[in-house]
Amino acid sequence: RKEVEQDPGPFNVPEGATVAFNCTYSNSASQSFFWYRQDCRKEPKLLMSVYSSGNEDGRFTAQLNRASQYISLLIRDSKLSDSATYLCVVSTSRDTGRRALTFGSGTRLQVQP
Amino acid sequence: GAVVSQHPSRVICKSGTSVKIECRSLDFQATTMFWYRQFPKKSLMLMATSNEGSKATYEQGVEKDKFLINHASLTLSTLTVTSAHPEDSSFYICSGGRNTEAFFGQGTRLTVV
Repeated sequence: RKEVEQDPGPFNVPEGATVAFNCTYSNSASQSFFWYRQDCRKEPKLLMSVYSSGNEDGRFTAQLNRASQYISLLIRDSKLSDSATYLCVVSTSRDTGRRALTFGSGTRLQVQP
Repeated sequence: GAVVSQHPSRVICKSGTSVKIECRSLDFQATTMFWYRQFPKKSLMLMATSNEGSKATYEQGVEKDKFLINHASLTLSTLTVTSAHPEDSSFYICSGGRNTEAFFGQGTRLTVV
């Protein structure tokens, strides 16, 4: 079983649509949770950290359920520029300087005009 | 934010040759850096943890004699792919962390012909 599992995708949605990504993680010792965005042939870029209380950044909302070991990302009013691969990422440390990150395989989003 | 610079961004080499990839933390000191590898349409997988002043820690299945890691200073870690084979062709990426955030290099796309 993979440590971090995500929807396989790809998700093809029209502009303006709302799209939700799901992720589950297997290590109950995980302490930090993130969504990263990766464009083709580029390095991952942090989209947002995820907290148990849930957090929102503009059109993006992330939720964490520790009991279910489940993380979600909601994107509202999709833009063409949102097209990318979205990576669910966890770490067993709050200090990512000391512990490596564990990545899901990513979910590809293609927003169409 | 902190910057991690990785060089080269792209390299093509012949089978049997060695390739060195550099990863520099530009505005923070990194006692630990991480090296990942990503095959097409796959997740980033941790290869090794680079420790300043000591030996690197390799993940299971990663040959330490093939992937040489040197972390001689707090701002530079290098990965050398020795005797490269076509199956080593991949996207290699380094990261360093500060507090709760990880910073990634731009990645190196290695093609072995």
